[in-house]
Amino acid sequence: DTAVSQTPKYLVTQMGNDKSIKCEQNLGHDTMYWYKQDSKKFLKIMFSYNNKELIINETVPNRFSPKSPDKAHLNLHINSLELGDSAVYFCASSHSGEGLLYGYTFGSGTRLTVV
Amino acid sequence: AQSVTQLGSHVSVSEGALVLLRCNYSSSVPPYLFWYVQYPNQGLQLLLKYTTGATLVKGINGFEAEFKKSETSFHLTKPSAHMSDAAEYFCALSNFMFSGGYNKLIFGAGTRLAVHP
Repeated sequence: DTAVSQTPKYLVTQMGNDKSIKCEQNLGHDTMYWYKQDSKKFLKIMFSYNNKELIINETVPNRFSPKSPDKAHLNLHINSLELGDSAVYFCASSHSGEGLLYGYTFGSGTRLTVV
Repeated sequence: AQSVTQLGSHVSVSEGALVLLRCNYSSSVPPYLFWYVQYPNQGLQLLLKYTTGATLVKGINGFEAEFKKSETSFHLTKPSAHMSDAAEYFCALSNFMFSGGYNKLIFGAGTRLAVHP
């Protein structure tokens, strides 16, 4: 199936731990994103990569480090997890340029709970 | 700066009634506008989009939205609600024009639609 897939779907961890979330898309898109959805359902962009190059880096703590080994993959590593990091993290992908006319395709999300 | 405002964080309608979810935007350049739906514990699914051309756009599941530049609005409607429409709905704006080819979607705060029998 063509899609944006994220792993894991659920992640429960203790404060201070380091964790990673992986994302892969097989849609042939050249741009990928990480969005954070807080407990009030508000969605905010964190990072965006175009062809492995970081193009958007919002005000995000340095503990969050994205990595894009190729244009089909975008991972998110989080160091020293804090209670406030608890949220749902969505990966998304799109074409750049006029391809945006087709919108973004979102993954099903990773629910991170820090205890 | 671009922004999206969704009026009403919760909307409740009866099955068969009209659905109206309100979205207003702020943008100093022509916007690309989107509506996404999020079912419980799922990702976001594109309902419909406005880029250029016809201001009344039709989407999936019987939804449509009208772009009104004079009112800076992009309200989502459906003539007859179904129980399966219960979900969170997000209006979003792209600042594509500002980013020189790159872009980010700016989301409204979302509206939770409840449909009761």
